[in-house]
Amino acid sequence: QQQVKQSPQSLIVQKGGISIINCAYENTAFDYFPWYQQFPGKGPALLIAIRPDVSEKKEGRFTISFNKSAKQFSLHIMDSQPGDSATYFCAANPDSNYQLIWGAGTKLIIKP
Amino acid sequence: KAGVTQTPRYLIKTRGQQVTLSCSPISGHRSVSWYQQTPGQGLQFLFEYFSETQRNKGNFPGRFSGRQFSNSRSEMNVSTLELGDSALYLCASSLGQGLGGTETQYFGPGTRLLVL
Repeated sequence: QQQVKQSPQSLIVQKGGISIINCAYENTAFDYFPWYQQFPGKGPALLIAIRPDVSEKKEGRFTISFNKSAKQFSLHIMDSQPGDSATYFCAANPDSNYQLIWGAGTKLIIKP
Repeated sequence: KAGVTQTPRYLIKTRGQQVTLSCSPISGHRSVSWYQQTPGQGLQFLFEYFSETQRNKGNFPGRFSGRQFSNSRSEMNVSTLELGDSALYLCASSLGQGLGGTETQYFGPGTRLLVL
């Protein structure tokens, strides 16, 4: 199956809280899992990415947690700030294909 | 380095018309991909061009076509527009080093198309 299911569709978090966005996939051949961040009026931009040989990757306040057995990966934003308000997309790369398979996106709003 | 540029930024067309969108990739990038973005649907892959050749194609009807020029600039054409074609069309460029989907894609701001 070439799908990536992303949840929730939208998320409201208080400033300073933890934002968590989840993605699930079915194809065990997927070998690269990036997260892209998109601000209004802009195109998506790569935020952080992980490969299945590690269970966690952290860059500043952003962490990807990867559960290979459950075929799930998630983005955690610690100490969420109003500037983090954006739409977040997870994606996965099939081993034998050039294109990424994208999740439907999560609109995150951080309330001051 | 200048980023990916897309023109025009906004476009209003009527059903049945055709439209051409343009994308200039980052200098040195040889791969250009096109996506359609609609609320709730995320990014739907249209096609990818590398060295003037379509290397990959998504599941869109033949009304959607594209091409790439020798300077890596790309155009996308949609013929016989339908109301459902209203969307943000994004172009992304990457180095094109044969790393497939693991190459970082750099997106332009998109062209917002409204079909009336």
